[in-house]
Amino acid sequence: SQTIHQWPATLVQPVGSPLSLECTVEGTSNPNLYWYRQAAGRGLQLLFYSVGIGQISSEVPQNLSASRPQDRQFILSSKKLLLSDSGFYLCAWRDPQNSGELFFGEGSRLTVL
Amino acid sequence: GESVGLHLPTLSVQEGDNSIINCAYSNSASDYFIWYKQESGKGPQFIIDIRSNMDKRQGQRVTVLLNKTVKHLSLQIAATQPGDSAVYFCAENRGSNYKLTFGKGTLLTVNP
Repeated sequence: SQTIHQWPATLVQPVGSPLSLECTVEGTSNPNLYWYRQAAGRGLQLLFYSVGIGQISSEVPQNLSASRPQDRQFILSSKKLLLSDSGFYLCAWRDPQNSGELFFGEGSRLTVL
Repeated sequence: GESVGLHLPTLSVQEGDNSIINCAYSNSASDYFIWYKQESGKGPQFIIDIRSNMDKRQGQRVTVLLNKTVKHLSLQIAATQPGDSAVYFCAENRGSNYKLTFGKGTLLTVNP
């Protein structure tokens, strides 16, 4: 069966520090991968989307970047965090050969102080 | 502009009652819709989906209704249980990449 893992689960970082959130998917190949951000009490905002290794689509202008160094690995990064980067970050995957359902990880809660 | 929204931000029901959560969308080109359930501090979980060529789809205790005429989507939960308490999101898709657009969510509280 397929599984998705995100880490770290929680992170507290000072303003101006770097960020690296990692997401890996197991049990599938060539997945579509997504990074979403969820602000407190809000819906999910799509940040990045990838259809393959090295292929990243940025959906909104921001202080963050994403990379896909391997087929089932998706990394969210920042060189210098801002207070506004605080939020709940969710990685998701989808099998492009099947339905449109996105499968989400458990999320990484980032607090920037 | 394109948007997916919810009519009610909170819904409180008694255990055993049926729940109806509503969602409005504005993009008539959207061809796929999905409902997710999110418990506190966790990632969203798939509940049920529906394509635009259908107007009703049923799952276990859940039914999704799609009214394309008025661009309205609803989720019905039968015999609501305390474990159904969560935030429910509708999402829409347009195109082949399934970059879902999510609504703000409705908090469902089930009272024992």
